[in-house]
Amino acid sequence: EAQVTQNPRYLITVTGKKLTVTCSQNMNHEYMSWYRQDPGLGLRQIYYSMNVEVTDKGDVPEGYKVSRKEKRNFPLILESPSPNQTSLYFCASSLDAGAVYGYTFGSGTRLTVV
Amino acid sequence: QKEVEQNSGPLSVPEGAIASLNCTYSDRGSQSFFWYRQYSGKSPELIMSIYSNGDKEDGRFTAQLNKASQYVSLLIRDSQPSDSATYLCAVNMGRYSTLTFGKGTMLLVSP
Repeated sequence: EAQVTQNPRYLITVTGKKLTVTCSQNMNHEYMSWYRQDPGLGLRQIYYSMNVEVTDKGDVPEGYKVSRKEKRNFPLILESPSPNQTSLYFCASSLDAGAVYGYTFGSGTRLTVV
Repeated sequence: QKEVEQNSGPLSVPEGAIASLNCTYSDRGSQSFFWYRQYSGKSPELIMSIYSNGDKEDGRFTAQLNKASQYVSLLIRDSQPSDSATYLCAVNMGRYSTLTFGKGTMLLVSP
């Protein structure tokens, strides 16, 4: 089944404890992206990647890191999480950055930082 | 600033009615337009795409695009309670640009 897989689905952590949210797609998509979604603010892009070893900042990159060492994986790293990073996170992928095919989203990761 | 604007709602319609959801965008050069449906706490799901002016129909859904007015809409005919969700408009602003999402319109369909 074609899908984007995120793990974990739920995570509660403490301020300052490094964490990684994994994202993997099995559709051979070039493009991958991370979003956070907060009430009233909609989907906001954190980082995106056009291909392996090519990443760029989105609208809200502060406090986050990403890497794209292989095509299928695009992990999101929070090196020192803070409570304002409590949010619902989505990974997405696409054949073409969404120009024709749109995005396929993962199931989401609900992160709580206390 | 690239923007996609949607009325946040909620838009309330009775079961069986037509729901009309609207979206405007700022970039006149935009090429591709998408509608996503998102149930509370779930991920967005692509339901319609449209690239040319006019209407595109898929089952109970019709997407309408007017590039001159920078306006795209989604009509849902015979609305069902299961259509109650937030609908996100997404616009690709340029060939090498990523999708820009609106904040979404919440639709409530009452039995």
